[in-house]
Amino acid sequence: KAGVTQTPRYLIKTRGQQVTLSCSPISGHRSVSWYQQTPGQGLQFLFEYFSETQRNKGNFPGRFSGRQFSNSRSEMNVSTLELGDSALYLCASSLDAFTGELFFGEGSRLTVL
Amino acid sequence: ELKVEQNPLFLSMQEGKNYTIYCNYSTTSDRLYWYRQDPGKSLESLFVLLSNGAVKQEGRLMASLDTKARLSTLHITAAVHDLSATYFCAVDPLYGNKLVFGAGTILRVKS
Repeated sequence: KAGVTQTPRYLIKTRGQQVTLSCSPISGHRSVSWYQQTPGQGLQFLFEYFSETQRNKGNFPGRFSGRQFSNSRSEMNVSTLELGDSALYLCASSLDAFTGELFFGEGSRLTVL
Repeated sequence: ELKVEQNPLFLSMQEGKNYTIYCNYSTTSDRLYWYRQDPGKSLESLFVLLSNGAVKQEGRLMASLDTKARLSTLHITAAVHDLSATYFCAVDPLYGNKLVFGAGTILRVKS
């Protein structure tokens, strides 16, 4: 059974650029959530999608956005990158909001120069 | 705002010893998760605790949840080097996959 797949795994951008990260959940899972991990702030929730609808959003500026497609794949976008956006971005997939288990992908490590 | 506190944040222990990591949280929830993270890797799900009094065990690790005390514990029995990792607890108060994580406990097991 394939796990959660995130692409790209590593990327380097410069300030002011934008970036799009992709997440393919486990087959059959309809909920995808995104988290940012940094040494200073730890793991923080970005947003969660279920059946193409954003159900929850964390406390991040509007530069962070996301979407989910009909096949449950999800993308997140960060515009006008800042140095502080350098982080590991983790995607988690779940059957739905009620099964109680999230499976995380390997993450996309973003470095902003 | 929900706060999740883990202690200790760093734990160095000898192989063969027992120890407990504590996870306190500030608002009502009966959904708590434990994850393990190895350096440069993603989060591996260890335990999902979904009710008061839940206890789960896997190998040398045992987790429990006391929702009244808003406390979960991760007990390590007879530690081995392979358990060295960072352990996170996380709470989902809204049942919406919106997890609030603790800061993590870095565990180093010395042989």
